[in-house]
Amino acid sequence: GENVEQHPSTLSVQEGDSAVIKCTYSDSASNYFPWYKQELGKRPQLIIDIRSNVGEKKDQRIAVTLNKTAKHFSLHITETQPEDSAVYFCAASNTGNQFYFGTGTSLTVIP
Amino acid sequence: NAGVTQTPKFQVLKTGQSMTLQCAQDMNHEYMSWYRQDPGMGLRLIHYSVGAGITDQGEVPNGYNVSRSTTEDFPLRLLSAAPSQTSVYFCASSLGGASTEAFFGQGTRLTVV
Repeated sequence: GENVEQHPSTLSVQEGDSAVIKCTYSDSASNYFPWYKQELGKRPQLIIDIRSNVGEKKDQRIAVTLNKTAKHFSLHITETQPEDSAVYFCAASNTGNQFYFGTGTSLTVIP
Repeated sequence: NAGVTQTPKFQVLKTGQSMTLQCAQDMNHEYMSWYRQDPGMGLRLIHYSVGAGITDQGEVPNGYNVSRSTTEDFPLRLLSAAPSQTSVYFCASSLGGASTEAFFGQGTRLTVV
């Protein structure tokens, strides 16, 4: 089965700085890579995703890159704000019904 | 639009008790799944369904049963609760096929004492 590893487990940045979270996956058949943000006590919510036929995708301050050859993908948040503080999960899927999640990164943005 | 609705939000069980976590979605999604979330372990897939009448096991299925009699509902049953099943449980649904977003319910925090 798929194995997704995520690093770092915790990340603290100053407001305005950038944050980068990295994930690797093991199954070359995986073709969909979403990122979820989970605020304390809330449900995970999709913030950005990328498909295997795309190398990079950007949405305002958030971007995701994918390197299929190396089997890794990364989340980049620029100009971080306190409201970006949350736990972020990467995931991989090749079927649309089975998602394999990383262990999460707790991001703290210090005002 | 309610999306994915889970009940209850909180539950305390005694070891050996059984219970059912309810999950319903109103988006006409074919795919539904259950995850458990434990500290430092992310979300792990328990069971999933690709349509009414079809279910399959995920990464951590032991101690749980599911059924899918309708497109809308996907209940998760704990047969004989154990302290190791203390966790936060999330139900999710997606449209189906590759590259589709999973929508999560609000979660159920279960404590087994």
